[in-house]
Amino acid sequence: DVKVTQSSRYLVKRTGEKVFLECVQDMDHENMFWYRQDPGLGLRLIYFSYDVKMKEKGDIPEGYSVSREKKERFSLILESASTNQTSMYLCASSLTQTGPNSPLHFGNGTRLTVT
Amino acid sequence: QQQVKQSPQSLIVQKGGISIINCAYENTAFDYFPWYQQFPGKGPALLIAIRPDVSEKKEGRFTISFNKSAKQFSLHIMDSQPGDSATYFCAARNYKLSFGAGTTVTVRA
Repeated sequence: DVKVTQSSRYLVKRTGEKVFLECVQDMDHENMFWYRQDPGLGLRLIYFSYDVKMKEKGDIPEGYSVSREKKERFSLILESASTNQTSMYLCASSLTQTGPNSPLHFGNGTRLTVT
Repeated sequence: QQQVKQSPQSLIVQKGGISIINCAYENTAFDYFPWYQQFPGKGPALLIAIRPDVSEKKEGRFTISFNKSAKQFSLHIMDSQPGDSATYFCAARNYKLSFGAGTTVTVRA
């Protein structure tokens, strides 16, 4: 079974802090993703990566950056946290391009509160 | 702007009843339509998916109906059970997945 592990379940940070959210997958998947989940808005894609050191902007990249130095690890960085970044953050991976034989596998999420 | 519009936001159904969730899209380039199920405290997991050249797909009590001309698709949960209580997301793929806003389903025993 694919396991996607997010390092923190809950995180509380102050406005202006630099925040790192870490994600590790154990199935040698090529693609990794960061989503944020907000009530009434569903899942919105922040960034994704289809290979080591490669990254591509999703639908809402403003205020975020990412790093993928190793295939199994994908980090989301909030350079200067703001209160509107309070949300549930979900990491996901897929073997290849997401599709019938390559579904998204999600972690259990990190609930980030910025005060 | 959400590319996939999902309704209703929430629904309550009695045990044994039918739950129906609807999604609509505009982008005709979408080529794959999955549904994800999320339990509280967990990440979403793939439930069932369909391609646009198929009008219906059934897996157990879960059925996707797909209407390409209307650009709509729906999830039907037959004989709903308390264990089906979860949030359901429809999605559509054009290179990457776009998700609907989600529907919280509560099945009353």
